[in-house]
Amino acid sequence: SAVISQKPSRDICQRGTSLTIQCQVDSQVTMMFWYRQQPGQSLTLIATANQGSEATYESGFVIDKFPISRPNLTFSTLTVSNLSPEDSSIYLCSVDPGTGVGDEQFFGPGTRLTVL
Amino acid sequence: GENVEQHPSTLSVQEGDSAVIKCTYSDSASNYFPWYKQELGKRPQLIIDIRSNVGEKKDQRIAVTLNKTAKHFSLHITETQPEDSAVYFCAASSGYALNFGKGTSLLVTP
Repeated sequence: SAVISQKPSRDICQRGTSLTIQCQVDSQVTMMFWYRQQPGQSLTLIATANQGSEATYESGFVIDKFPISRPNLTFSTLTVSNLSPEDSSIYLCSVDPGTGVGDEQFFGPGTRLTVL
Repeated sequence: GENVEQHPSTLSVQEGDSAVIKCTYSDSASNYFPWYKQELGKRPQLIIDIRSNVGEKKDQRIAVTLNKTAKHFSLHITETQPEDSAVYFCAASSGYALNFGKGTSLLVTP
């Protein structure tokens, strides 16, 4: 499986500011995903990040709040903008290292965000 | 969109007993069903998955069964050990995006 790292591992931010999270993979992957996991909850897909095209956002998530970049096949960033305490969550990237539909997804270690 | 229901939300078993977690899904187009284990403070780890052309898959003490007609799938853990204690998530996908169940907190007591 791919080796996935995220930066930062955790951060405490003031409301109204933004946080950019980086996701790095040790091999080229077509599909990268960003999830949110609120405290004690399940994982919710924010968006799918494809290299060379705009990210595809899930219902309830918008580009202005969660801008995503995917400059190459090994790297992506998620920015959480205009932070509020409700944004306090763990943000995880995942990758699908396969070439077909329905392949496995592997998760990064997550970024724990606390908004004061 | 896809809706995945997972039961029970908590499960406590004695070491050595079996544990069963069940999930149902709504989208008949779903064709990929992974299970993830998440220990406290850790990332979700893929432990087993099944595709729609298979009814059962086993890997040592864990197995997954799929009933496409009824649109449900289950995780079976036999001979449970304390290190099996974690939150388990099922998911379903008809494409690239995974839709997760709410999770089952499994506690295995010695």
